[in-house]
Amino acid sequence: GAVVSQHPSWVICKSGTSVKIECRSLDFQATTMFWYRQFPKQSLMLMATSNEGSKATYEQGVEKDKFLINHASLTLSTLTVTSAHPEDSSFYICSVKTSGEETQYFGPGTRLLVL
Amino acid sequence: AQTVTQSQPEMSVQEAETVTLSCTYDTSESNYYLFWYKQPPSRQMILVIRQEAYKQQNATENRFSVNFQKAAKSFSLKISDSQLGDTAMYFCAFITPGKLIFGQGTTLQVKP
Repeated sequence: GAVVSQHPSWVICKSGTSVKIECRSLDFQATTMFWYRQFPKQSLMLMATSNEGSKATYEQGVEKDKFLINHASLTLSTLTVTSAHPEDSSFYICSVKTSGEETQYFGPGTRLLVL
Repeated sequence: AQTVTQSQPEMSVQEAETVTLSCTYDTSESNYYLFWYKQPPSRQMILVIRQEAYKQQNATENRFSVNFQKAAKSFSLKISDSQLGDTAMYFCAFITPGKLIFGQGTTLQVKP
C-alpha cells in the first residue's frame, strides 16, 4: 500500500490563528485525496474530497471558507484551518487513492488543539 | 441512503482465541468494495482486509478473514489466534462512488 505522511503530527495554536496541515503521498500518485475529522472514540467524518488540480468538493455542513484545501500536485494536499476556534480542536486525517483503485490509504493524523 | 452498521461497540477476547466482529450495510449498488480498517491507540488507520462484491470467495489475510454474505448485506471479520497487538478500534467501511462510508466502530480489547 501507499505510504502517507502528515505534518505536523500535533499542533497547539491560539484562537483566531490559522493552521496549515500537509498531507504527502510518498510513493504513490494520489489522484484523489480526502480529509477527515475524528473526535475521540468516534468514527471518521469526511470533510472534503480533492482531485489533483481541481477545487475540493466539501461535504454538507463543512465550511469551505474555514477549511481551505489545496491539492496542487499528485503528492501533496494541504488543509488550512482559518481563524481557528476551540471547537475546531480535533484529529484530522488525510487519505489518498489513485485512479482506478478504490482502496484508500491513510496518513497518521494531526492532532489540533486550539486554546 | 447508504449506511454501515456495527452493532458491537466493544468486545474483548483472550489472547490466542478467535473473535468475530459484525458489520451490516445498506446499498442499492450491485458492485462495490468493502473494507475493514483497524485503528490502534496510535490512531493510524491501517487496512486489514478488503472484499470486492462481485467476488463470491471470502477474502483472507493471514489471521484475518471475512464472511461476506451479499444477499444479507453482511460483512463480518474473523480474527483467529488473537494477539495483544490486535487491540484496536475496528471500522467496517463501504465504498460508494467517490467516498468511503464508515461504521461506528468496534473497540476490541485482547486480554493476556
